[in-house]
Amino acid sequence: LAKTTQPISMDSYEGQEVNITCSHNNIATNDYITWYQQFPSQGPRFIIQGYKTKVTNEVASLFIPADRKSSTLSLPRVSLSDTAVYYCLVGANTGTASKLTFGTGTRLQVTL
Amino acid sequence: DSGVTQTPKHLITATGQRVTLRCSPRSGDLSVYWYQQSLDQGLQFLIQYYNGEERAKGNILERFSAQQFPDLHSELNLSSLELGDSALYFCASSETSGLNEQFFGPGTRLTVL
Repeated sequence: LAKTTQPISMDSYEGQEVNITCSHNNIATNDYITWYQQFPSQGPRFIIQGYKTKVTNEVASLFIPADRKSSTLSLPRVSLSDTAVYYCLVGANTGTASKLTFGTGTRLQVTL
Repeated sequence: DSGVTQTPKHLITATGQRVTLRCSPRSGDLSVYWYQQSLDQGLQFLIQYYNGEERAKGNILERFSAQQFPDLHSELNLSSLELGDSALYFCASSETSGLNEQFFGPGTRLTVL
């Protein structure tokens, strides 16, 4: 069962690139890494998912090193509206023994 | 709006009672996931159903149970409630049984007094 840890909080100025890391030392071979964003009083919202190397979509990039024991979510040019809590999710639901493990969450505060 | 609906939005009950939380997935999604979010435990995966069958189990207590009905809506039953069960309960849905993008509902806030 992957144990995932993240920094509790991060601060950034608007327009900067933000990198949030997630440590998952016990990641299993079949596990994927997914990142979610959560605003207060709302459910989490999908950002990006990857298995290895680098994945990029219109809002973020995900970097996963070869050993897959960590991952980094990169948000380019953040704005005030990116202030939220970011969670990594590690797991694979390919069988009844599979578990999905959320990280502890990183609270990102973006200011002018 | 994710397209996932959850009812009720808020629920206040007493210790020892039983409650049922309801979730309707997005149209076309066959998988439903249940999560618990609390200040001390964070976001915890409880259980997943796919097309009516239990697919994966997480940290779900024996006092809790879930099911997915033929119309694909799901219910989470919580019994013998304790103060520590007070939390936000989220339902999420996805198209397939695999770990792809999940769409989360707005949650049900449960308060046990």
